[in-house]
Amino acid sequence: QLQLQESGPGLVKPSETLSLTCTVSGGSISSSSYYWGWIRQPPGKGLEWIGSIYYSGSTYYNPSLKSRVTISVDTSKNQFSLKLSSVTAADTAVYYCARLYIGRRDDAFDIWGQGTMVTVSS
Amino acid sequence: DIQMTQSPSSLSASVGDRVTITCRASQSIRSYLNWYQQKPGKAPKLLIYAASSLQSGVPSRFSGSGSGTDFTLTISSLQPEDFATYYCQQSYSTPITFGQGTRLEIK
Repeated sequence: QLQLQESGPGLVKPSETLSLTCTVSGGSISSSSYYWGWIRQPPGKGLEWIGSIYYSGSTYYNPSLKSRVTISVDTSKNQFSLKLSSVTAADTAVYYCARLYIGRRDDAFDIWGQGTMVTVSS
Repeated sequence: DIQMTQSPSSLSASVGDRVTITCRASQSIRSYLNWYQQKPGKAPKLLIYAASSLQSGVPSRFSGSGSGTDFTLTISSLQPEDFATYYCQQSYSTPITFGQGTRLEIK
């Protein structure tokens, strides 16, 4: 079955750029029924949507992060990636990638990666 | 942004209890409402989509209802594995937003 796996550095210095990749296995990222998204969760807190991308490259970002976020897709590798620039301690969180099913009545994150903890610290 | 407010924030209950969690949206979101369950150290798991549709593989003791601004998640008879944190999420408009979570604890 379809699986998602996040990868990237677990420690990033303040003011630098956080870079993560999500590898999709067991299925194609180039499906018309899905977007692919990033969600984060600071320690002990709730979930925050970062942004989503379609296999064509079309993107939607959370306005609260838009100036610092870039999400891209590489269909040849069945991967999509997140870059978050100028990070601070407030960006410390577990970062999840997830599949966003685009339905007739609703859109839902139906498959999630296991998550990767990213700490921003010098 | 559409604000999602869950109540209660935490809840203590016993195995076998019927439990209801409420989610209110700051404006109408029709039925663009999903419910997730998250256990410590794990990714969220989709339980209910489109307000009332049960995701494949999810036990039938979970149900959802509502439309517009008011929604509920009901667990008909709590099982030990149901103690977790539950989140609602709207997909009516971007940015996608989540409720703050409801922590369900064992009494």
